[in-house]
Amino acid sequence: GAVVSQHPSWVICKSGTSVKIECRSLDFQATTMFWYRQFPKQSLMLMATSNEGSKATYEQGVEKDKFLINHASLTLSTLTVTSAHPEDSSFYICSASGTSGTLTDTQYFGPGTRLTVL
Amino acid sequence: LAKTTQPISMDSYEGQEVNITCSHNNIATNDYITWYQQFPSQGPRFIIQGYKTKVTNEVASLFIPADRKSSTLSLPRVSLSDTAVYYCLVGGLTDKLIFGTGTRLQVFP
Repeated sequence: GAVVSQHPSWVICKSGTSVKIECRSLDFQATTMFWYRQFPKQSLMLMATSNEGSKATYEQGVEKDKFLINHASLTLSTLTVTSAHPEDSSFYICSASGTSGTLTDTQYFGPGTRLTVL
Repeated sequence: LAKTTQPISMDSYEGQEVNITCSHNNIATNDYITWYQQFPSQGPRFIIQGYKTKVTNEVASLFIPADRKSSTLSLPRVSLSDTAVYYCLVGGLTDKLIFGTGTRLQVFP
């Protein structure tokens, strides 16, 4: 149990285009989802926290107009990188927390999405 | 949010027991301690979580002293496939998690 998926697993786009990344909790309802970014050889950096049906809370320094987050249901959150530029190239990872059966509320992570902006 | 401190790296050999200690002096009453494993280009994988004393599952044990200011992840009989980065995090069960540097474990044959 506690499986989180992301789609796509990798994406290459041209500078100036927008890219949408999906995060799904497959076997539990995620009351809260989190989005992280990870650069090579570095730790994960939290970008934002989203709760189903409400606006996301962004960490300091993260542009909310550039990284649009939608958490429309208890199993799906999306991150849209708008007008992507090469410096947005990174590994984007989502996590979800919720309760399913015997699972405690803890965070389970998706496999990540590699974004490369040319 | 409690800050955590871990060794940057550790080396071990196959078959040995590895203990990774994490300091979290400012842990709050409702904080849990969670350990994750991350391989390159993958999302972190949940290993174990605890609140106090000792927790054991099929892959690891977590030792937490009474003051909860530190915790130790114990990996019994590591193999080459355990080479990864291990993160210790503290926080409420549904709180945001702030990742530290993690511990890069290298297992040699």
